[in-house]
Amino acid sequence: GQQVMQIPQYQHVQEGEDFTTYCNSSTTLSNIQWYKQRPGGHPVFLIQLVKSGEVKKQKRLTFQFGEAKKNSSLHITATQTTDVGTYFCYNAGNNRKLIWGLGTSLAVNP
Amino acid sequence: DGGITQSPKYLFRKEGQNVTLSCEQNLNHDAMYWYRQDPGQGLRLIYYSQIVNDFQKGDIAEGYSVSREKKESFPLTVTSAQKNPTAFYLCASSMTGNSPLHFGNGTRLTVT
Repeated sequence: GQQVMQIPQYQHVQEGEDFTTYCNSSTTLSNIQWYKQRPGGHPVFLIQLVKSGEVKKQKRLTFQFGEAKKNSSLHITATQTTDVGTYFCYNAGNNRKLIWGLGTSLAVNP
Repeated sequence: DGGITQSPKYLFRKEGQNVTLSCEQNLNHDAMYWYRQDPGQGLRLIYYSQIVNDFQKGDIAEGYSVSREKKESFPLTVTSAQKNPTAFYLCASSMTGNSPLHFGNGTRLTVT
């Protein structure tokens, strides 16, 4: 099935630095969901964005949905070692051919 | 506590054997899904079910089979026809097709 493009594939930061991952699609997305998967674990739902230009915050995490609903970003301010993991974006398409990004793996040096 | 349970956590099989992975949820969700994840890869959809007694193939259904006889249960059988079955298998459920997914802890299958 179609995939959304997620960049970067890997990111290595020093603790305290900011981090951003981007999710891009060539077609309009009905919604975007973000998940976090810790090493050895399973994906855990973080947030869902539905509206054009929507911005949501969860403590140090800021999620944005583009005005054209073709891209989204997740920004983490002042990373901590607990932020380590892989962040996935996902679009629950109506045809059930569910569309996942390939993920951005974040490593944080203490 | 409501949740989704996969068992076993680790599974080892010889090549040529069929193996069934269990997935049970008590969240009263209508939709259930099976994904496969290979090292460093994203999630690939194997099968999904929107309602009891109905299921649809995902992107990589070949060599797999499922059943959905009860709302709570969505077992996955990895058949001997699956050419590269060693992987991490994740089961998920959602209230509707657009709702957030709840994942089980996964089953790591190794076939030698």
